[in-house]
Formats: sequence, structure tokens, C-alpha cells
Amino acid sequence: GAVVSQHPSRVICKSGTSVKIECRSLDFQATTMFWYRQFPKQSLMLMATSNEGSKATYEQGVEKDKFLINHASLTLSTLTVTSAHPEDSSFYICSANLAGGRNEQFFGPGTRLTVL
Amino acid sequence: SQQGEEDPQALSIQEGENATMNCSYKTSINNLQWYRQNSGRGLVHLILIRSNEREKHSGRLRVTLDTSKKSSSLLITASRAADTASYFCATFLQGAQKLVFGQGTRLTINP
Repeated sequence: GAVVSQHPSRVICKSGTSVKIECRSLDFQATTMFWYRQFPKQSLMLMATSNEGSKATYEQGVEKDKFLINHASLTLSTLTVTSAHPEDSSFYICSANLAGGRNEQFFGPGTRLTVL
Repeated sequence: SQQGEEDPQALSIQEGENATMNCSYKTSINNLQWYRQNSGRGLVHLILIRSNEREKHSGRLRVTLDTSKKSSSLLITASRAADTASYFCATFLQGAQKLVFGQGTRLTINP
């Protein structure tokens, strides 16, 4: 199956700093990637849809100036958490759509962000 | 808000027994998918069932879909300790082109 990677897998940062998370489709091109956030023992919440070459579409309640998304190529999308605070600590997961009509998404392994 | 609701929220059974998890959703869907997530890890895609399908099998997994009731079930037969994980249903919404996840069921298989 298609492989999606994320980097880093874990990051610990001080409050007020910015953190960039990368999501890559390794063996396929993804015109659309998705970013999710998952708090402990909760489900995945879609944050935004990242479209190659255009602005991301954010879900209601997600601050676009705080969670910057860039999808500059068909294999890479980045999520930058700006001025991170402890409440931003979470598990961030990306996924990429495999084109071809199955609407099946392939998920990255996730990035654990801890803000001190 | 979440599209799907899953029940039960937690399920604990003995190894070898069957586990059934249910998922309900609210709006029209293109397909429904089930995923597994081990603690602190990424998602593993288990099975996809299209809106025009009623039942699908994959190994020890059996998924049903009832679009009239807007519900789906995942059955794991002959459970194993390695099946311990959280299971999520996710609906692919018509027109919206996005997956929306249910709350999940935490399944524990006791040896």
C-alpha cells in the first residue's frame, strides 16, 4: 500500500516557540493531504485539508494563523504550530488521498507534540 | 462535530470470543471505513465498504452497512490478544471530500 511518513515523530518544545511537522507521501503523488489532531483517549479531529498549490481549507474553530499549512509539492505538506502553548500538546496525524476513485486515505504514523 | 458515534466506547472480552462494534452516522456517505489504532501509534486501514454494499469480509473481519439506518458494524471473529487496540469508523462524506471519524471503541482482548 501507499506509504506516508511524518517527521519528526516526537517533539518537545518550550511555550512560545514554533514547530514544523512534515508529511510526505513516499511512493505516490498526493494533491490533497489532511491534518488531524488527536487528544489522549479521543478520536481524530480534522483540522484542515491541504491542497497542493492553493490555500488550505480549515475546519470550523481551527485558527489558520496559528496552524500554518503549506503544500508546496505533490509529495509534501507541512503544518507549523506557531507560538505553541501547552494546550497545543497533542498527537498530530496527516493523511494523503490516493487518487483513483476509492477515496481511501493513507495515514502517517503521527507526531507527538509536547509543549512545556 | 463528529459525524459518527460508536458503541460501545469500551469492550473487554476473552481471547477467542467474537467482538462486535457498532457505528452510526448522520448524513449521506460515499463510503465508510474502519481503522485500527494501537496506543500512541498511527492508524491502520482495515476495510472500506461503499454505500452500495451491504457486507464485506476480510480475513477475520466482517463489516456490514445499513444505509437506511445509517449504521455499520465491525465483527472480529476468534479474537486474539494482538487485536487489542482502538477501532474507529470513518465516513467519507458525499461532496465534502473528507473523512469524519467516530469516537472509537477501545477493545481489550484478555488472554
